[in-house]
Amino acid sequence: SQTIHQWPATLVQPVGSPLSLECTVEGTSNPNLYWYRQAAGRGLQLLFYSVGIGQISSEVPQNLSASRPQDRQFILSSKKLLLSDSGFYLCAWSVTGSTGELFFGEGSRLTVL
Amino acid sequence: GENVEQHPSTLSVQEGDSAVIKCTYSDSASNYFPWYKQELGKRPQLIIDIRSNVGEKKDQRIAVTLNKTAKHFSLHITETQPEDSAVYFCAARAQGSNYQLIWGAGTKLIIKP
Repeated sequence: SQTIHQWPATLVQPVGSPLSLECTVEGTSNPNLYWYRQAAGRGLQLLFYSVGIGQISSEVPQNLSASRPQDRQFILSSKKLLLSDSGFYLCAWSVTGSTGELFFGEGSRLTVL
Repeated sequence: GENVEQHPSTLSVQEGDSAVIKCTYSDSASNYFPWYKQELGKRPQLIIDIRSNVGEKKDQRIAVTLNKTAKHFSLHITETQPEDSAVYFCAARAQGSNYQLIWGAGTKLIIKP
C-alpha cells in the first residue's frame, strides 16, 4: 500500500533563518506531488506541484522554493523565513494523470518568531 | 479559470440533526468534485467524491448531490454525531493544468450535544 511521510512535524524558526521540509512517498511510482500551506483557521493554498523529477510548477510567487530530486521525494525550502511563512504545511500526492483522490501527509506546523 | 465558493463558513447543528454544506463552481467543464474532512490539527482526508456523470452519491450517513446545470454541489450529513465536528472542504477539478484541484474556503461544522 502507498504511504506518505512528511517531516519535521513541528518546528519553530526565527525570522531570516532557512527552512527545509521533506516529503517522501512509498508504494507508488511517478506520483504527482504537491505542497500546500494552511494559515491558522484558513483554507488550503497550493504552493507548488510536480509531475516528475525536476519539474516544478509554482502557484504563488514568494520566498519559498521546491525541489524534486528523486521520483518520490519532494522538498520545500526557504533561504530566509518571514513571519508570514508561519502555518501548517501539507505535502500530498496523487496518481499521475488521475482525476481521483489526493493523499495528504501528516503536516508540518511551522512557527516563525 | 475555475473558482469555487463554499457556504456557510461556520455551521452549528444539534446532534442528531442534518447538516448541509454547499459549493458553487464556475467552470462548466469541471468533472470531479471531492469533499475532504479535516479534524483539528490533522490532515484533510477524502470522505466522498462525485463525478459529473452522476447526480448523487451516498455512503452511509454522507451524501453528495451535483447539479451541473446550476453548477453547484452539496454535502449532506444525516444523524450528525460529535465526531462529525471538523472543517469540511469542497473542491473541483479544473480542466487542463495537470488536473489541479480548486478548493473552497472550508466550513467549520460544530455539533452541539
